[in-house]
Amino acid sequence: QSVLTQPPSASGTPGQRVTFSCSGSSSNIGSKTVNWYQQLPGTAPKLLIYSNNQRPSGVPDRFSGSKSGTSASLAISGLQSEDEADYYCAAWDDRLKGYVFGTGTKVTVL
Amino acid sequence: QVQLVQSGSELKKPGASVQVSCKASGYTFSNYAINWVRQAPGQGLEWMGWINTNTGNPTYAQGFTGRFVFSLDTSVSTAYLQISSLKAEDTAVYYCARGQERVYGDLWFDPWGQGTLVTVSS
Repeated sequence: QSVLTQPPSASGTPGQRVTFSCSGSSSNIGSKTVNWYQQLPGTAPKLLIYSNNQRPSGVPDRFSGSKSGTSASLAISGLQSEDEADYYCAAWDDRLKGYVFGTGTKVTVL
Repeated sequence: QVQLVQSGSELKKPGASVQVSCKASGYTFSNYAINWVRQAPGQGLEWMGWINTNTGNPTYAQGFTGRFVFSLDTSVSTAYLQISSLKAEDTAVYYCARGQERVYGDLWFDPWGQGTLVTVSS
């Protein structure tokens, strides 16, 4: 059972802004940084956001991350068809002494 | 470029063992930990643990002790995951990923290997 909870799905039309959350607790998001991974269909996960809001080189600035308290959010602005993927939040958990992933959110472009 | 390349798919019978390899290139292997992540069919990501590529010391997540072994061959910049006494529920894609940590708890994985599908079936 994942300790980070995400909505199972999110959707939008091309060009729209989509935002979804990742809810945790004081032992993970509340005290550690959050990362986001994008998993396109049939491929390996790819780092999208690290340290709450940092984009690796090559990740479009349409993707942005934020954190407040024990929750984090990922926003995709100017939604494109190639953004259809599963998105996972993740963080270190001090109580479990391990790295935990969120339940995943499937983004659909209508 | 920095990359991790994993070995190919495996089909094994229950009770057998399997070894998955993860070859690193494009960076100094001993400077970054290698993490292992499991993804069962249609399911999410599950962290299995990591291995210190400097000392060879492995750390296993809850639920991945006993049958799972992480090892290294630093001479060829390769990490290995061995699973023994395979069960049907071990059927999954296994990923290796390079861990980067700025300070304790500020940890992320980049890049990831392409994944290795291990199928356990009689």
